[in-house]
Amino acid sequence: SQQGEEDPQALSIQEGENATMNCSYKTSINNLQWYRQNSGRGLVHLILIRSNEREKHSGRLRVTLDTSKKSSSLLITASRAADTASYFCATVPIQGAQKLVFGQGTRLTINP
Amino acid sequence: GEEVAQTPKHLVRGEGQKAKLYCAPIKGHSYVFWYQQVLKNEFKFLISFQNENVFDETGMPKERFSAKCLPNSPCSLEIQATKLEDSAVYFCASSMTVNTEAFFGQGTRLTVV
Repeated sequence: SQQGEEDPQALSIQEGENATMNCSYKTSINNLQWYRQNSGRGLVHLILIRSNEREKHSGRLRVTLDTSKKSSSLLITASRAADTASYFCATVPIQGAQKLVFGQGTRLTINP
Repeated sequence: GEEVAQTPKHLVRGEGQKAKLYCAPIKGHSYVFWYQQVLKNEFKFLISFQNENVFDETGMPKERFSAKCLPNSPCSLEIQATKLEDSAVYFCASSMTVNTEAFFGQGTRLTVV
């Protein structure tokens, strides 16, 4: 079964607005990571948040983690056209397979 | 190197032919992961290595897929007797530990015709 599930599957906003994407997962995790994929390219690591952290910032990115609800959110503030991409959350489970387990991604479109 | 290098970028194989993909991880990274992405959707985990040892192979279709990471050589993923459904982009990633950020290559697009 899919560990991470993103919501929404697609999001279209105007340049300058904030974009929020959510991720839910099923099992206890060591950490949760967010990645960006531009069309036809590889994944770019954005931010890693550990299970004992609740919030983390990196530039215009803000990630929250709620382990009680098994969910995370990625906020991109003051969006730019260059932010148009697919965003994936990935978790590293505490038990079982030690690997990144990806969600299905959110396709973000920033309209100029 | 400072980035994960995957070759070739594109590979076209007739159904039933063999396909071999290569990945050079970042120097100093102990872990290598292979993922399959079909139609820009989810990333399906295939196999991971800790140095040259298989770490987790729970995602590998073992009857046709094999992989190696030998010392002083690029890692490789080989598909024997390719099928149409093997058409996908195959990504390799490396990381220092299993709990740190992973760096991904640009992928190899395999098309089976």
